[in-house]
Amino acid sequence: GAGVSQSPSNKVTEKGKDVELRCDPISGHTALYWYRQSLGQGLEFLIYFQGNSAPDKSGLPSDRFSAERTGGSVSTLTIQRTQQEDSAVYLCASSFAPGAHQPQHFGDGTRLSIL
Amino acid sequence: KQEVTQIPAALSVPEGENLVLNCSFTDSAIYNLQWFRQDPGKGLTSLLLIQSSQREQTSGRLNASLDKSSGRSTLYIAASQPGDSATYLCAVRHTPGAGSYQLTFGKGTKLSVIP
Repeated sequence: GAGVSQSPSNKVTEKGKDVELRCDPISGHTALYWYRQSLGQGLEFLIYFQGNSAPDKSGLPSDRFSAERTGGSVSTLTIQRTQQEDSAVYLCASSFAPGAHQPQHFGDGTRLSIL
Repeated sequence: KQEVTQIPAALSVPEGENLVLNCSFTDSAIYNLQWFRQDPGKGLTSLLLIQSSQREQTSGRLNASLDKSSGRSTLYIAASQPGDSATYLCAVRHTPGAGSYQLTFGKGTKLSVIP
């Protein structure tokens, strides 16, 4: 597609449920990133993929968070046993390569609300 | 730990004014700095990317400067228009090493251009 696509755009779920968020990067982009944007907290890095491997998971806040990427393309961020503090906008970005010269292109995000 | 600060947090100007947004960072060992705009409910749109070896970048009415040694960047917007109303974020990418591909973001400046 023309840009980074994320689904769903909005998700409301009850505390304790598991959720899956999906990201479709720009075609041909090998690097993929997940960020979280919380009210008052700004944007925080979660995890970075190069191809299907994740060399940097340092931003994942707890073991309830996991992510995978298949076929060097689509990525899924899974949050297990959701808590109210997980409510945030989850943004995905991709870049042509992981090199520092490559700008990151962002999707519109998934707005997650935990009741 | 890198910290990025943006001042002011909010800014309101009449249409046609030139304006400057400020960004500062604590660790000058950066690879590049990127300016984004974010419209309500949307993802981030990349505006300008300045490599650490560069002093400025220009795109249309936008000009971004970088003074790495003092840990500062500015985004200059000429002849502001109501369509420029958005939140502007700056982000730095660290020098190569563990976690080097992530961006560290400021909390943004919310700009309102009054017709």
